[in-house]
Amino acid sequence: EVQLVESGGGLVQPGGSLRLSCAASGFTFSIYGMSWVRQAPVKGLEWVSGISGSGTITYYADSVKGRFTISRDNSKNTLSLQMNGLRAEDTAVYYCTQENYYDTGRFDYWGQGTLVTVSS
Amino acid sequence: EIVLTQSPGTLSLSPGERATLSCRARQSVSNNYLAWYQQKPGQAPRLLIYGASSRATGIPDRFSGSGSGTDFTLTIRRLEPEDFAVYYCQHYGSSPTFGQGTKVEIK
Repeated sequence: EVQLVESGGGLVQPGGSLRLSCAASGFTFSIYGMSWVRQAPVKGLEWVSGISGSGTITYYADSVKGRFTISRDNSKNTLSLQMNGLRAEDTAVYYCTQENYYDTGRFDYWGQGTLVTVSS
Repeated sequence: EIVLTQSPGTLSLSPGERATLSCRARQSVSNNYLAWYQQKPGQAPRLLIYGASSRATGIPDRFSGSGSGTDFTLTIRRLEPEDFAVYYCQHYGSSPTFGQGTKVEIK
């Protein structure tokens, strides 16, 4: 059974940093692309960033490019998102997702999410 | 990126009725890379449909997807109580985008 468990969310001041982690289990982590998708309070879904199975290819939404960095440790089955220069509009629940093996950006499995609140 | 517009914003229906949700893309979606997700309050989204018309694993056959190019539809044949939720369409690829969602509520 695929399991994705996010951690690292919390309250941070504008301009601050936070690192999210996602522990993956139940599948061969290193062969699947992974992504972070966020959802602002009472809002819709927004894709944030993605990474290939090997970690060599990364993708970012324009809204976070240059501020967020996605990475993965295939030896520990862990996905990470380093968030710097946080803004109020980054406040959201952040979901870790497993992409389909064949279709980049299609999110077959989701974690339960971790809440990031950016406020002074 | 492909902009997706969903309609209506809210659909008020009774259990047993048929639901028809629309998703329109500002430009043609290549290879029918269009998915639908269901989200219930307090839960993560769940993949329902991919490739515009293929059901994901474990999804009941009362859910069906159709369309191509710029116009796509999600149909729920007979609404069950557990189907009242928010539904999102999504274009997938290297720069995924979502529609704003349609809420299906109990009338």
